[in-house]
Amino acid sequence: GDSVTQMEGPVTLSEEAFLTINCTYTATGYPSLFWYVQYPGEGLQLLLKATKADDKGSNKGFEATYRKETTSFHLEKGSVQVSDSAVYFCALTFQGAQKLVFGQGTRLTINP
Amino acid sequence: EAEVAQSPRYKITEKSQAVAFWCDPISGHATLYWYRQILGQGPELLVQFQDESVVDDSQLPKDRFSAERLKGVDSTLKIQPAELGDSAMYLCASSLDGREQYFGPGTRLTVT
Repeated sequence: GDSVTQMEGPVTLSEEAFLTINCTYTATGYPSLFWYVQYPGEGLQLLLKATKADDKGSNKGFEATYRKETTSFHLEKGSVQVSDSAVYFCALTFQGAQKLVFGQGTRLTINP
Repeated sequence: EAEVAQSPRYKITEKSQAVAFWCDPISGHATLYWYRQILGQGPELLVQFQDESVVDDSQLPKDRFSAERLKGVDSTLKIQPAELGDSAMYLCASSLDGREQYFGPGTRLTVT
């Protein structure tokens, strides 16, 4: 079945460091890909998305590029802030209002 | 900005008791999803509605869980009887066109 695999956490970085969180997927067909962020005690917020190969999603300094050849959608940010501390989820879905399939999440902690 | 509403935010119940969660999607969103998120994992779909009809309930434990969306607007998820393994965050999401899902804050259930 369809699945998403994220890099193991937790990830701890210092403020202004470069961030990469790896995400790979297995899917039959061509899914849309998403990154969601979850702050403590809250629901999930959509961070960015890409709907087809080579699309780049970006928001709040975060970027991810849909790589069909490597079935990947890695999340990057050039300079992280303490406020970026959260759990990040990679997810996929298919056209037609179908369910999201999530990775296991990566907890990110940024130290000042 | 319109949001998905959920209540209660927190619920503590004893095993074998009944518990119910409520979700009010963003106005006009025809598709409604209930996800369960076990601590340390990504959310998994329990049930999906299109208007008042169930589209996908393949992962809903139907011996104890039930869900309804009688008028195609708000929805209720019920567990009876609750078991210790049901302790989790229950997330509701809605979508207008299936391209993006918007999540509520969730209900944190603890079964003792």
